Parts: sequence; structure tokens; C-alpha cells
Amino acid sequence: QVQLVESGGGVVQSGGSLRLSCATSGFTFSNYGIHWVRQTPGRGLEWVAFIQYNGNNKYYADSVRGRFIVSRDSSKKTVYLQMNNLRPEDRAVYYCAKEGLASGNWPPRNNYFDPWGQGTLVTVSS
Amino acid sequence: SYELTQPPSVSVSPGQTATITCSGDRLGNKYTYWYQQRPGQSPLLIIYQDIKRPSGIPERFSASNSGNTTTLTISGTQAVDEADYYCQAWDSTSARFGGGTKLTVL
Repeated sequence: QVQLVESGGGVVQSGGSLRLSCATSGFTFSNYGIHWVRQTPGRGLEWVAFIQYNGNNKYYADSVRGRFIVSRDSSKKTVYLQMNNLRPEDRAVYYCAKEGLASGNWPPRNNYFDPWGQGTLVTVSS
Repeated sequence: SYELTQPPSVSVSPGQTATITCSGDRLGNKYTYWYQQRPGQSPLLIIYQDIKRPSGIPERFSASNSGNTTTLTISGTQAVDEADYYCQAWDSTSARFGGGTKLTVL
């Protein structure tokens, strides 16, 4: 079955960096884009970033653009989220999620997040 | 930025119908999605493209989208349906989520 497994979360100081990984299995990796979505008790669910199925295009939320970089490695079927210059407000559980429809366009008005990984917690200390 | 508004909580008795609303400007002109999140778990897609149910999602889950409101309906609510529910839509450049509704089955 389709699985996404996040790793790489942890505690980092404000201004520091962290790289999250999203290892995938159970589907044709090269056909699907992958999203990152984060969740906090205060701000709820927030979309963070998206990388298209072929890696050619990447999109970011305004809150992370210029600090976060999404990439993918087809040989490892893994997507990464490099997070730089982390701020206390970046503290969240980070989920990766596969796009529901293959090779989706941007913006993906008819596309959705399915399934989600189990999440990894990122804590930024000030 | 585009905002989606949900009631923070909804209560329902077992076997009754639960209704959860999500409002946004001209939401009926967008595709909407619903996710269920049980305690300690990641979100699960339960409705896509306004009214469609993924395979494996029980028929008691249904939805509609018109005007400024999308509505999730759970018929014959069961204790296992107690969870947080989030609506979602896309604006021009970003996914937007509602703040979530905690469904209590009591």
C-alpha cells in the first residue's frame, strides 16, 4: 500500500537548519508530486511547500519562501524539505502528503492530499 | 489571504446526524475537500472534489458545496467518528484549511 514516512525532526535553535525526509513506497514515485503541510495547536494546518512529479517546479507558502527548499531524489523515492533560518513560529508537526491525482497541474484546484505520512515534530528554541 | 471558517466544536448523539459547516467567500466556485483527524493520527481524506468519497470511506459520510458554504454530513454517527474535521480548498497559490471542528459523540 502507499506509504510516506517522515524523519529528521528534532530540536534546533532559532536561526538553525534542519532537513526533513519523506520516504515513499507503494506507488510510482515519478508520477506524483509531494506536498509538505505543518500543524500547530495554535495555527492548525498550514500548507508549506510542493514539488511537482518531475521536480521541475516547486512552490512555497509566503511564510517559508526564501528559507525552505523542497527537493526530491527519484533513486531513493524520497522528498526532502531543507529548512533554514528557522524561527520559533516554525515549530510544528510536519507532514508530507502525496497528491491524489497524478502529474497534477499548478495550482492544483482539483487535487488533494492523499495519503499523509505520520508526521515529524520540529521544535525551534529561542 | 483566503479564509475558511469552521465552528470549533459540534456535538451529536450516537446514531444521529452530524453537520459540520465550512464557510469562505464564493466557496461554491472552488473544489472543496474534507479530512478527518483522530487523536494521535495524521489527517485522512474523507471527501474530495466537493462530494466524492475515496474508497474505504463509509457511505455515512457525504458533503455538499454551494454558495459560500461547504457542508460535511455524517449520517448515523458512530463513536469511532469522534475526531477533528478540516475543510480545505485552493486559492490562487496556496492550499487553505479551515480551523477544524472537533466532533464529540456523546
